[in-house]
Amino acid sequence: QQQVKQSPQSLIVQKGGISIINCAYENTAFDYFPWYQQFPGKGPALLIAIRPDVSEKKEGRFTISFNKSAKQFSLHIMDSQPGDSATYFCAASKTRNTGNQFYFGTGTSLTVIP
Amino acid sequence: DAGVIQSPRHEVTEMGQEVTLRCKPISGHDYLFWYRQTMMRGLELLIYFNNNVPIDDSGMPEDRFSAKMPNASFSTLKIQPSEPRDSAVYFCASSLGPGATEAFFGQGTRLTVV
Repeated sequence: QQQVKQSPQSLIVQKGGISIINCAYENTAFDYFPWYQQFPGKGPALLIAIRPDVSEKKEGRFTISFNKSAKQFSLHIMDSQPGDSATYFCAASKTRNTGNQFYFGTGTSLTVIP
Repeated sequence: DAGVIQSPRHEVTEMGQEVTLRCKPISGHDYLFWYRQTMMRGLELLIYFNNNVPIDDSGMPEDRFSAKMPNASFSTLKIQPSEPRDSAVYFCASSLGPGATEAFFGQGTRLTVV
């Protein structure tokens, strides 16, 4: 059973465009929602994260939008660059419990065309 | 710190053979996770350890899979006997104690079972 559902599976965007990846969850006990970025041949690495007490977090060209009532969150990449081409995973965890599990979405392969 | 270290990077084996994947977590990290990555299912959590003790192995696909963590600096994931459907990239990740907000991934082991 997938704890975090992610879409789309793949995305092609022109350089300078906006990339949007969406995720949804069911478990209201989740209190931390990170996004991971994975380049070919590498392991995923933390990109940006948000807690449910805020609706938006921005770091440079990357923004997370969070809708607690809808149990959805999304990653927006502004002014997308070819170097952003990678696989992106959303995730959720319960940091206040000792379980400390990270549940990942199925990933989105982003290609930014020059 | 060198980060999470996995070996081997690539493994090709024949169906029915035993395969052992190895992981060295970041020093001081209390949690260790084994993930499997496939195109269809994304990142699946197989098992995780806290202070060398297996906490949740519900993601282990079947009895052919086993994992051990004999000490804080070493873990193995063993598949015996291996099958072609086990072909995937296997990641090891580690994180600090309860409430940790980042999992640090190794570079993965690409396993091909022919």
